[in-house]
Parts: sequence; C-alpha cells; structure tokens
Amino acid sequence: KAGVTQTPRYLIKTRGQQVTLSCSPISGHRSVSWYQQTPGQGLQFLFEYFSETQRNKGNFPGRFSGRQFSNSRSEMNVSTLELGDSALYLCASSLEEDTEAFFGQGTRLTVV
Amino acid sequence: GIQVEQSPPDLILQEGANSTLRCNFSDSVNNLQWFHQNPWGQLINLFYIPSGTKQNGRLSATTVATERYSLLYISSSQTTDSGVYFCAVLPSGTYKYIFGTGTRLKVLA
Repeated sequence: KAGVTQTPRYLIKTRGQQVTLSCSPISGHRSVSWYQQTPGQGLQFLFEYFSETQRNKGNFPGRFSGRQFSNSRSEMNVSTLELGDSALYLCASSLEEDTEAFFGQGTRLTVV
Repeated sequence: GIQVEQSPPDLILQEGANSTLRCNFSDSVNNLQWFHQNPWGQLINLFYIPSGTKQNGRLSATTVATERYSLLYISSSQTTDSGVYFCAVLPSGTYKYIFGTGTRLKVLA
C-alpha cells in the first residue's frame, strides 16, 4: 500500500515569503503530525491533527500553522519565512493517535 | 517535559561487528519506536516496541518500560546499516513523539 507522501520534496524560498507543504497520509490513517529537523535542534514536534482537529502544538511561533482536511490530508504553512526556518519537514501518519507512526520522505526547505 | 537520551552519540564499527544502542527516557510512555534515517532524510521504521522484545533479521530490540529504557541490537553489521538511529517516545497523555538526539553509526568495509 502507498506510504506517506509529502510534496514538494525540495523547496527554495526567499526570506519574507510564505510556503505551504502538503502531506497525504497512508489510506485509513486519521492522525497526522508534523516535525521539523535541523542540525542544531534535532527533530522537534510541530503539531498533530486527528479528524481535522489540532490536538497538540509544539513550541513554535504563530507563523507556523497547519490544517487537516476531511480526507485526512494535511498542509502546513509557514509565513514570513526566516533563514532559521531552513530545515527538513517531516510528516507522519498513524491509524490512531497512539499506534505506530510512519513517516514520509520529507520536504527540504531552504530559505535564502 | 520528558527527556530522551541516546547513547552512544557516535559509533564506528567494522563490518561484521555487533552493537547495542541505548535509549533512556525520564517518564512513562505509551509508545516507543526505533527509526533509521537514510541519507535522503526519510525515517525508516525499525521497531514499534512499547514493551517486550522483537526481532527482525539481524536487528532486535528490547524495551523495559518499568525501568525506562530500550535497547536496539544490530548483529553482523553491514555498510548499509550506516546512518542515524533515532529512538522516539510517545509520553503518556500526549499525542506527540519526542525524539532522542540519535546515534550516528558508521560501518566500515
């Protein structure tokens, strides 16, 4: 069966712009979560959605937002990009909130 | 919040050697997973192991939840085992995985 799909795979943006990343979970999975990976901070939790509701948010500024659609697909948006937002953004899906999580290939965002 | 520590941070092995990676966590957890991050950044699932012992080929894992640690064993290592291994825990009552800082493994031919 198809895994978690993230698009785009690579992205280059300019400071001040905004960006939207997409995540399609494994069919039937209702929980989608997002993580940011940087060399300095490691893997950090951004937010988690279940049945279109955000249930947890990590310690990130309000410029980071997300949503989940009725088909469980999720998007995350970063506005007013900063150089420090350059990172690998990973999306994970799971059947329920406490079952095994599967990750997509990630979107590598570079802010210049 | 919960702390997740992995050791060792770096490990260099000769092909064929065995190794043990450790993950300690500071509070009770509902779930624990081990991942291998490939060179392109994707996290590959190795084990979903909130407790007990599992084996998959040359890899096995044990989690002792009551003592708050998990071990990942790699036997007869191969160069393709190189990469970063992460432990991630799901603290009780939350919906977010907390990742350790990883163990960077290099297997030499």
